[in-house]
Amino acid sequence: GAVVSQHPSWVICKSGTSVKIECRSLDFQATTMFWYRQFPKQSLMLMATSNEGSKATYEQGVEKDKFLINHASLTLSTLTVTSAHPEDSSFYICSAREELAGLEQFFGPGTRLTVL
Amino acid sequence: RKEVEQDPGPFNVPEGATVAFNCTYSNSASQSFFWYRQDCRKEPKLLMSVYSSGNEDGRFTAQLNRASQYISLLIRDSKLSDSATYLCVVNSQGGGFKTIFGAGTRLFVKA
Repeated sequence: GAVVSQHPSWVICKSGTSVKIECRSLDFQATTMFWYRQFPKQSLMLMATSNEGSKATYEQGVEKDKFLINHASLTLSTLTVTSAHPEDSSFYICSAREELAGLEQFFGPGTRLTVL
Repeated sequence: RKEVEQDPGPFNVPEGATVAFNCTYSNSASQSFFWYRQDCRKEPKLLMSVYSSGNEDGRFTAQLNRASQYISLLIRDSKLSDSATYLCVVNSQGGGFKTIFGAGTRLFVKA
């Protein structure tokens, strides 16, 4: 199946700093990428949907100024957590979809963010 | 009411048992349905798609009942390696593409 990578796989940062997470589709062009957050023992919660070359669509309750998403190319999307706080500590997972390939999403391995 | 609801867990079963998971969805315009498996601290991985005609892959059988807005996953002859969280996933395309994950059902298979 298609491969999606994320970098970094884990990050620890101080409160107030910004953290950038990259999501790449390695062997296909991702027309749409999704960013999810998962707290312990909870399901994935969609944060935003991004289409290449356009602004991301954020889910209700997700601050777009805090979680900056850039989908500059068909193989790369980035999520920047600005001024991170301990409550932002979570598992962030991206997924990618190639429109012509159907509705299946291919997930990255996730990034575990810990804010001290 | 949640858009996608799954059986509460965890399910604790012995090896060799048959276990069934249920999932209901509220949006009648939903178009595609999947079961994903997620191991602890890992990303979800697609287990199988779900079709109205039913879908079988080895020990796994998935079924969709559109009239009742209900999806099921049956695992036969459970293995220790089946221990994971099983996520019901529903896609809809009204008003933009949207994916909703169920909260997941945890399965523990014991020797």
